[in-house]
Amino acid sequence: EVQLVESGGGLVQPGGSLRLSCAASGFTFSSYWMSWVRQAPGKGLEWVANIKQDGSEKYYVDSVKGRFTISRDNAKNSLYLQMNSLRAEDTAVYYCAREGKYCSSTSCYLDYWGQGTLVTVSS
Amino acid sequence: EIVLTQSPGTLSLSPGERATLSCRASQSVSSSYLAWYQQKPGQAPRLLIYGASSRATGIPDRFSGSGSGTDFTLTISRLEPEDFAVYYCQQYGSSPRTFGPGTKVDIK
Repeated sequence: EVQLVESGGGLVQPGGSLRLSCAASGFTFSSYWMSWVRQAPGKGLEWVANIKQDGSEKYYVDSVKGRFTISRDNAKNSLYLQMNSLRAEDTAVYYCAREGKYCSSTSCYLDYWGQGTLVTVSS
Repeated sequence: EIVLTQSPGTLSLSPGERATLSCRASQSVSSSYLAWYQQKPGQAPRLLIYGASSRATGIPDRFSGSGSGTDFTLTISRLEPEDFAVYYCQQYGSSPRTFGPGTKVDIK
């Protein structure tokens, strides 16, 4: 059974930093692209970043470029999101998600999701 | 960036009725790279449909997807009590991938 479990969320002041983690199990983690997606309270879904199987390619939504860094450790079956210079508008539930098999050349759907971890940016 | 519009915003129906949800794109979605997700309160989204019409693993056949180009539809043939939720479409034919704002299906 595919499982994705996020951790690391919490309350942080504007300008602060936080590191999210996602522990994967039930599949060969090193064979899949992985993504982070966020959802502000009461709002819709926004893709944040993704990373290739070996970590050699990473992509970000414009609003987090230069502030967030996605990474992975295939030996530990783990995905990470380092978030710096946090803003109030980064407040959201952050989901870790696995990318599907039948993708376009530039993007993909997300076939499994974790339960999410809440990040609140407030003074 | 492709903008997705979903309609209606809210659909009020009774169990057993048919639900038809629309997703319209601001530009053509190449090769029907469109997915649908279901999200219940307090839960993560669940993939229902990818490639516009292919059901994901374990999804009941009362869920079906159709469409191409800029107009896509998710149909739930007979609503079960567990189907009342918010539904999102997502395009992945061009970067960045984008999601629609969602359609809430609630009990009439």
